[in-house]
Amino acid sequence: KAGVTQTPRYLIKTRGQQVTLSCSPISGHRSVSWYQQTPGQGLQFLFEYFSETQRNKGNFPGRFSGRQFSNSRSEMNVSTLELGDSALYLCASSFYGTGDMEAFFGQGTRLTVV
Amino acid sequence: AQSVTQLGSHVSVSEGALVLLRCNYSSSVPPYLFWYVQYPNQGLQLLLKYTTGATLVKGINGFEAEFKKSETSFHLTKPSAHMSDAAEYFCAVSDSIQGAQKLVFGQGTRLTINP
Repeated sequence: KAGVTQTPRYLIKTRGQQVTLSCSPISGHRSVSWYQQTPGQGLQFLFEYFSETQRNKGNFPGRFSGRQFSNSRSEMNVSTLELGDSALYLCASSFYGTGDMEAFFGQGTRLTVV
Repeated sequence: AQSVTQLGSHVSVSEGALVLLRCNYSSSVPPYLFWYVQYPNQGLQLLLKYTTGATLVKGINGFEAEFKKSETSFHLTKPSAHMSDAAEYFCAVSDSIQGAQKLVFGQGTRLTINP
């Protein structure tokens, strides 16, 4: 069974640009969550989607957005990139997305903003 | 809101020694607790989780953790460290008040194994 796939693995962008990251969850999983990992702030929750609906959102500015498609694949978009957006972005999927369920993580997309 | 505190950002032990990584949580509801491990340039892998039932939880790679409600702790242990255990470990609590999955992570503990 294939795991969570994130593409691309590495990305370099310039300040002011926008970027789209992709996440394909494990087959059958309907919940997809996104996290940002930085040395200073650690792992922080961005948002969670279930059946194409955003159910929960972290404390990030509106430049960070996401969506989920009918096949459960998810994308997140960051507009007007800032240097501080440089981070490892992790996607996680789970079957129902309830609190007691294991979240399976992808290998992440490392975004560098220059 | 839930929160997690991991005591010690770096822990160093000798190969074969006991591994003890500390985690304390704050939660207004019965918590779901997790330990994840992250190897360099990789995502997170679940070691073990506590949801309900037995308070001593066994996970992969010989790790286990004990949920102690009175101490609001969920410390991770392994009796004998192996070189391959060197990694970063994250304790997390599930903030599922709205029924959605949101993990709140501690700051992580980097485990170093000395030969």
